[in-house]
Amino acid sequence: GAGVSQSPSNKVTEKGKDVELRCDPISGHTALYWYRQSLGQGLEFLIYFQGNSAPDKSGLPSDRFSAERTGGSVSTLTIQRTQQEDSAVYLCASSSDRGQGAGMNTEAFFGQGTRLTVV
Amino acid sequence: GDSVTQMEGPVTLSEEAFLTINCTYTATGYPSLFWYVQYPGEGLQLLLKATKADDKGSNKGFEATYRKETTSFHLEKGSVQVSDSAVYFCALTPNYGGSQGNLIFGKGTKLSVKP
Repeated sequence: GAGVSQSPSNKVTEKGKDVELRCDPISGHTALYWYRQSLGQGLEFLIYFQGNSAPDKSGLPSDRFSAERTGGSVSTLTIQRTQQEDSAVYLCASSSDRGQGAGMNTEAFFGQGTRLTVV
Repeated sequence: GDSVTQMEGPVTLSEEAFLTINCTYTATGYPSLFWYVQYPGEGLQLLLKATKADDKGSNKGFEATYRKETTSFHLEKGSVQVSDSAVYFCALTPNYGGSQGNLIFGKGTKLSVKP
């Protein structure tokens, strides 16, 4: 597509329920990233995909968080047993390559995010 | 670990005023540095970048110079417009190990420009 698409744009869920957030990256982009934007916390890295594999999951805050990517395209971020502190805007980004040093094109293109509210 | 610190907002300026948003970083080696902008109701967009010391990134009248000696990447614009009202994020990507390409962001600075 023309840009990174995320759905839903807004999600309100009850504490303890599971949620799935979807990201459609730019066609042909091999790298895909999930970030979380919390009030007062800025943007936190969650997980990185290269193709369908996730070589860097270091930012996932707990084992309630998981993500997968299929066909080298769509990615789903799943949060199980949601807690109020999970409320945030979840951003997805894609890029054509992962930076391998100065001079490489590491521009990431972001979706508009999914605003998750846990009540 | 690597980190980015940028000036707290919000910043309110009159149209045509000079803008500086300070950004400093802590990183191993030689990271790439970025400014991203988030306009109201829109997603994050890359504004400018610099990939090595003394490089100057520029776009839409904004500039930032990669200063390794002061570990800084301050954003400047000589004359702001109402349309520049947005949240600005300074960011870096490490250039070593498995973290290459992961963007590490500052907390963002909200800019409001009044006519």
